[in-house]
Order: sequence, then structure tokens, then C-alpha cells
Amino acid sequence: KAGVTQTPRYLIKTRGQQVTLSCSPISGHRSVSWYQQTPGQGLQFLFEYFSETQRNKGNFPGRFSGRQFSNSRSEMNVSTLELGDSALYLCASSLWQATDTQYFGPGTRLTVL
Amino acid sequence: KQEVTQIPAALSVPEGENLVLNCSFTDSAIYNLQWFRQDPGKGLTSLLLIQSSQREQTSGRLNASLDKSSGRSTLYIAASQPGDSATYLCAVSPKGETSGSRLTFGEGTQLTVNP
Repeated sequence: KAGVTQTPRYLIKTRGQQVTLSCSPISGHRSVSWYQQTPGQGLQFLFEYFSETQRNKGNFPGRFSGRQFSNSRSEMNVSTLELGDSALYLCASSLWQATDTQYFGPGTRLTVL
Repeated sequence: KQEVTQIPAALSVPEGENLVLNCSFTDSAIYNLQWFRQDPGKGLTSLLLIQSSQREQTSGRLNASLDKSSGRSTLYIAASQPGDSATYLCAVSPKGETSGSRLTFGEGTQLTVNP
């Protein structure tokens, strides 16, 4: 069974631009979560989607948004990029419950110049 | 607010040694605790998941324990190998007002196993 895939793997943007990252969960998984990883803040939860609805949200500004499609694939969008948005963005999928194992993708490395 | 702490931050051991990584969390209201490994610049690989009703889980040379009442978990690695060198992260799935998944992570322990 294929794992979680994320595209693109690397991205370079300039301040003020916007970016869209994509995540395809493991087949059959209906929950997709997004995390930001930086050297200073570690791994922080952004949001979780289930059945095309945002089910949980972390403490990030409204510039960070996401959505989920009917096939469970998810995208996250960051508008008006800031230097501090440079990070590894990780996507995780699970079946659907909080008790289920989370499986992570390889991440998208975003650099904002 | 749930907080997760991992000790030590870094650990260097010779090959073949048995070792223990520690994780503590402040709120015992959790669904489960999960241990991950992360290689430099890569994603997270799930190692073990312990549900809140369980005491331990084993996979190969790895054994993880959970003491929910004291807010502690340990990851035991037997007969360490250079290939075990990575950052090990623990994460809890906290119970809250909403259902669903939102892991809270520790800062990780960077393990180096020297040949």
C-alpha cells in the first residue's frame, strides 16, 4: 500500500507570495492533518480535515488555510508569505479516529526569501 | 495546555548498548502516545503507538511503556546499531472538546550510535 505523498518536495518563494501544498493520504484514510516543523518551535499542529470539513485547528494566523477533497486528498495554502514561514510542512493521515496511528509523509521544504 | 518534554535532548552511545529515551507529558487526558523517528530532512516514521489503556508495546528491538497516571513514557532500544541514529520524537493525542487528531510533540532526542 502506498504511503502518504506530498508535492512538491521543495519550494522557494519570496515574501508576499502565496503557496499551495498538496497531500495524498494512504488509501482508505479519511483524516488528514498538517504540521509545521521549524528549528525554533519544533513540530506544531496546523489543522486537521475529515470528510472535507476542518475538524481541528491549531494556533496559526488566518493566512494558513486548507481544504480536503472528496477523495480525501488535501491542500494547504499560505498567503502573503513571511520569512518566518520557512519550514518543513508535514502531512499525516489516519483512518478517522483520534486513537488511530498517524502516518506521515516526507514533507515539503518551503524556503521564503 | 498539554506540554511534552523529552530527556535527554541528545545522546551518544557506542554500538551494542541498550538505551532508554524518556518522554513526559503534563495532562493525563490522552487517547494515546506515539513514538516516531525522524532522519535528517525527512518525514516521520511511526515506531510504536500505545493506547491510553495499554502499558507497553513492543516491536523488534524496541519497547515502549506508558504510565498515564504519572505522565511518563519510555522508549527502550536494545542492542543499538549505527542505523538507529536519528531523532526520536514522542507525541500525545490529547482528549479535548473536539474529536479527531491533533498530536502534541516533544522536542525530540537526537540519538547517535557510534560504530
